[in-house]
Amino acid sequence: NAGVTQTPKFQVLKTGQSMTLQCAQDMNHEYMSWYRQDPGMGLRLIHYSVGAGITDQGEVPNGYNVSRSTTEDFPLRLLSAAPSQTSVYFCASRETGINQPQHFGDGTRLSIL
Amino acid sequence: EDKVVQSPLSLVVHEGDTVTLNCSYEVTNFRSLLWYKQEKKAPTFLFMLTSSGIEKKSGRLSSILDKKELFSILNITATQTGDSAVYLCAVPPWIQGAQKLVFGQGTRLTINP
Repeated sequence: NAGVTQTPKFQVLKTGQSMTLQCAQDMNHEYMSWYRQDPGMGLRLIHYSVGAGITDQGEVPNGYNVSRSTTEDFPLRLLSAAPSQTSVYFCASRETGINQPQHFGDGTRLSIL
Repeated sequence: EDKVVQSPLSLVVHEGDTVTLNCSYEVTNFRSLLWYKQEKKAPTFLFMLTSSGIEKKSGRLSSILDKKELFSILNITATQTGDSAVYLCAVPPWIQGAQKLVFGQGTRLTINP
């Protein structure tokens, strides 16, 4: 049982490039979400999904796309990378139910030059 | 707008001291408050609090919630260097059947030997 797995762990991009951050969970969790963590700002929600085929925007969705074709996978796409997207990205999942804690992956550190 | 505020933002103490971390919140349809510990990688779940006045305890860590005054505290007694981390408070507003975690900025705790 690996939990929440994120790849890659580190990535450096040039401005304007696109890329996909991968997130997979093997706990059969319906809820999955993506956060970014910047110094002094805590974690902010980018996009989330309540099940396969259903996604919605969080607090800071601009410049990012997501899809949820399977329960296990929830990739985050940067369409045209900008230096403001330099951050640490965390994927999380949790069980269905009102009071269930979220479980986080180890994060992807992304630098945009 | 949903809001979670933690204080202090940074705290440096000596090993053996007791510390109290604060978290205040204003969120829609409050159901629970969560505490996470973040060392180098993923935030790891500590506590979930749903009821006022009931202390949750795990070893030297304890936490309590006050739903009337809209805050929670996290206490760590007899601190050790391994307690050095960023402590995150988060509240999931319950909106349209989905929970989206709103995080505070975090408290960076440093324990000096």
